Amino acid sequence: QLQLQESGPGLVKPSETLSLTCTVSGGSISSSSYYWGWIRQPPGKGLEWIGSIYYSGSTYYNPSLKSRVTISVDTSKNQFSLKLSSVTAADTAVYYCARHVFTMIVVVTSFFDYWGQGTLVTVSS
Amino acid sequence: QSVLTQPPSASGTPGQRVTISCSGSSSNIGSNYVYWYQQLPGTAPKLLIYRNNQRPSGVPDRFSGSKSGTSASLAISGLRSEDEADYYCAAWDDSLSGQVFGTGTKVTVL
Repeated sequence: QLQLQESGPGLVKPSETLSLTCTVSGGSISSSSYYWGWIRQPPGKGLEWIGSIYYSGSTYYNPSLKSRVTISVDTSKNQFSLKLSSVTAADTAVYYCARHVFTMIVVVTSFFDYWGQGTLVTVSS
Repeated sequence: QSVLTQPPSASGTPGQRVTISCSGSSSNIGSNYVYWYQQLPGTAPKLLIYRNNQRPSGVPDRFSGSKSGTSASLAISGLRSEDEADYYCAAWDDSLSGQVFGTGTKVTVL
């Protein structure tokens, strides 16, 4: 059974960079047809897609966050990571990593079928 | 700011049928598949419906999805207490080249 687990600091200071890692177990991050994504959810609010990465390093980012986001992958460790720079209180959220089923064949298929449990990151001084 | 609009809440008594709408545009729902997620309190979202109306293994057939034009709907028939959760629609947006989620609907079982 595929499992994903987020890890990283739970508290980040304003203007600093938020860094999280997702470790994938029970399957290979190098599997074809799968991207690996980050989604966040501010307390009491809805879901927001941050971005996704393929094992080759190809990425898609949310245009509203693109200038501050970097997603990378380490196939040797079966991990992928998120960096969000210049954070503010508005970036306080539960951050989820997930497997992103994504294909662009005539009609786009795009959904998240396995999710991590999520990790709360608070931006505060 | 979500580009897919859902009603903030919906409710029903046990056994009733509840329907949740999701309104989008030609660049997302109008041209791509719609997906639905269920988020129970304090847990990660779970895929409920894929490709407009397909149910993953293990999802009861009480849940059904449909799509027409730039809108989609999720129906829950035979409402049960364990269905009390937040529900989100989602789709790929060709104009944004990104994944978009709905605003979310909280379902309450009265």
